Amino acid sequence: DFPMTQSPSSLSASVGDRVTITCRASQPISSWLAWYQQKPGKAPKSLIYAASSLQSGVPTRFSGSGFGTDFTLTISSLQPEDSGTYYCLQYNTYPPTFGGGTKVEIK
Amino acid sequence: QVQLQESGPGLVKPSQTLSLTCTVSGGSISTDDYYWTWIRQLPGKGLEWIGYIYHSGSTFYNPSLKSRVTMSIDTSKSQFSLKLTSVTAADTAIYYCARDHRSTSLGTWGPGTLVAVSS
Repeated sequence: DFPMTQSPSSLSASVGDRVTITCRASQPISSWLAWYQQKPGKAPKSLIYAASSLQSGVPTRFSGSGFGTDFTLTISSLQPEDSGTYYCLQYNTYPPTFGGGTKVEIK
Repeated sequence: QVQLQESGPGLVKPSQTLSLTCTVSGGSISTDDYYWTWIRQLPGKGLEWIGYIYHSGSTFYNPSLKSRVTMSIDTSKSQFSLKLTSVTAADTAIYYCARDHRSTSLGTWGPGTLVAVSS
C-alpha cells in the first residue's frame, strides 16, 4: 500500500481567504500527483494533474505545487462555489491511492 | 467531449456477484492513450481505486481486491465492465467509472452508481 496523508481533514474559511491544503506521500512520487474537488452527490472533478498543471476550464485561483513527497493545493481567493471535499491522488505507483480528503466550508 | 455512464443493479445480495457496465460516448474506447478505470467510494468515506482495463484487454487490479475482481471490455459497444464476486456489506459503495491517462490521471468520471449489498 502507498498511503497519502492529507491535512487538514476540514477547514472553515471566509470568502476571499487564501486556503492551503497539503498532501504528503510516504515515499517520493516525483510529480505524479493530482487534486480533485467533490461536491455532495457528485463525482470528483479533476482540478490539477502532474502536481501543478491546471485542468482545462478550472479557475486560475486554484494552483498546485510540490515535488517528491510534499504537495500543496492553494485556492488564492476562496469563492462560495469552492465548498466541498478535496482529495489528492498519487499515481506514481499502482495502485493509485487517494488522500483522506479535506472538507472545505465557507464561513 | 467524452462522457461515461455507469449502469447495473443497485442492490446485490451478500455472497453474490456485483456486475456493472460503463458506457463511453463522445470518444473512442479504443484509443491508445487511455486506461478505463473503476473506483469506489464507501459511504461517508474516501475513495478506493479498483482497477483498470486497456482496450487490448490487459488489466491491472488493486491487490486488495484482486482475488474477487474481473474486468472486461467490448470495444464494439464502447463499454467496459466490472464484476466483483462474493460481495459483503463492506462492498456497499458508490461505484464510478473513469478515464485514466498516464500523464493527467483520472480526468473524466461517470456520475457514479450506488450499489447496496443487502439481503
